[in-house]
Amino acid sequence: GQNIDQPTEMTATEGAIVQINCTYQTSGFNGLFWYQQHAGEAPTFLSYNVLDGLEEKGRFSSFLSRSKGYSYLLLKELQMKDSASYLCAVKGETGGFKTIFGAGTRLFVKA
Amino acid sequence: DGGITQSPKYLFRKEGQNVTLSCEQNLNHDAMYWYRQDPGQGLRLIYYSQIVNDFQKGDIAEGYSVSREKKESFPLTVTSAQKNPTAFYLCASSIDRVSTEAFFGQGTRLTVV
Repeated sequence: GQNIDQPTEMTATEGAIVQINCTYQTSGFNGLFWYQQHAGEAPTFLSYNVLDGLEEKGRFSSFLSRSKGYSYLLLKELQMKDSASYLCAVKGETGGFKTIFGAGTRLFVKA
Repeated sequence: DGGITQSPKYLFRKEGQNVTLSCEQNLNHDAMYWYRQDPGQGLRLIYYSQIVNDFQKGDIAEGYSVSREKKESFPLTVTSAQKNPTAFYLCASSIDRVSTEAFFGQGTRLTVV
């Protein structure tokens, strides 16, 4: 079956670094996405990885290992506004169309 | 400003009534999607459309219907056949079906009483 696993909740301190892991099992792979979603709001796109390695974008970085079915999102210099849910999603191969979403990791940033 | 708009933000309906959720985009995107989000679960695909006058069932289409008469619009009807309709509904669009990024609307929280 197809499955995406990520931790339910994490807590970190303002100014620190946090790593949110995601493991996936899907029939085919056309890329992995990370989205940020504040409570009651729309998800917003953070990153896209299709090749192995690290993609850096400001305070956020995302890593992918296709052989291990593993990704992580790294958030540096945490700010209070980073408190949100982070959704890991994989675009499968069938029709290159369907995207499967994980349940999300709720991150709490404390002062 | 280009974007994707869902309305209303909150919607209450009585059990047994059909209700239609609006989704409009002015991004000139071909592909549009409807997702449902429940607490503790990932987004689940209800319906998607690759082009005007074409749409396909997603993973949880039962009890829902859609239309795509215009490129800009992709309304979702939650029918009385949907057994558990209370949820947060998200509409999204992308340039095409293979695009690497989807843009989401602000969502509609539907409560059926």
